[in-house]
Amino acid sequence: DAMVIQNPRYQVTQFGKPVTLSCSQTLNHNVMYWYQQKSSQAPKLLFHYYDKDFNNEADTPDNFQSRRPNTSFCFLDIRSPGLGDAAMYLCATSRDRVGGQESTDTQYFGPGTRLTVL
Amino acid sequence: AQSVSQHNHHVILSEAASLELGCNYSYGGTVNLFWYVQYPGQHLQLLLKYFSGDPLVKGIKGFEAEFIKSKFSFNLRKPSVQWSDTAEYFCAASSNTGKLIFGQGTTLQVKP
Repeated sequence: DAMVIQNPRYQVTQFGKPVTLSCSQTLNHNVMYWYQQKSSQAPKLLFHYYDKDFNNEADTPDNFQSRRPNTSFCFLDIRSPGLGDAAMYLCATSRDRVGGQESTDTQYFGPGTRLTVL
Repeated sequence: AQSVSQHNHHVILSEAASLELGCNYSYGGTVNLFWYVQYPGQHLQLLLKYFSGDPLVKGIKGFEAEFIKSKFSFNLRKPSVQWSDTAEYFCAASSNTGKLIFGQGTTLQVKP
């Protein structure tokens, strides 16, 4: 089945130790998104890639970076995790980002990676 | 600024009760509306979506939502809930940029 896969599902890191989270998709979608979801809160968009075009949200800390080496994969790098970065990180994809088209705007989410910072 | 708000943070119902979860949005121009559900320990899943046309949208598992433009609302309804509907429900909206903005979420607890 076509899907959005995130690895690992659980990640534990130490304060200040760089960590990378992985997302892959078999949907062949152009757009990939990274969200941060803290406990009992709504997912918050960190950034997204439209093909190779990187789009950072204005309030995303510099500590967070992303790479998309090809259509299928996207990585979230946290350079120096702090205790406040402990959260669920969600990857999502959509066929396109142009609104008004039913088949292009829907986002499909992966299961998430729960990050613990010790 | 674009925003989505959900009125109820925590709802407790008995099985077979009717459900209505409120959602209001603040957007300029064209808006697309979604309801996502997150069952315990699972990923976000799309329940239903509205892009255009009939304002009454039917989704999976017996859920429906009505887009009322004059009220900037997109409330989620189900006539009879089941214990398996226990989950967190998120209303979301996007504009032509495709950026999705979520509401705060509503936790639904259905008592058997």
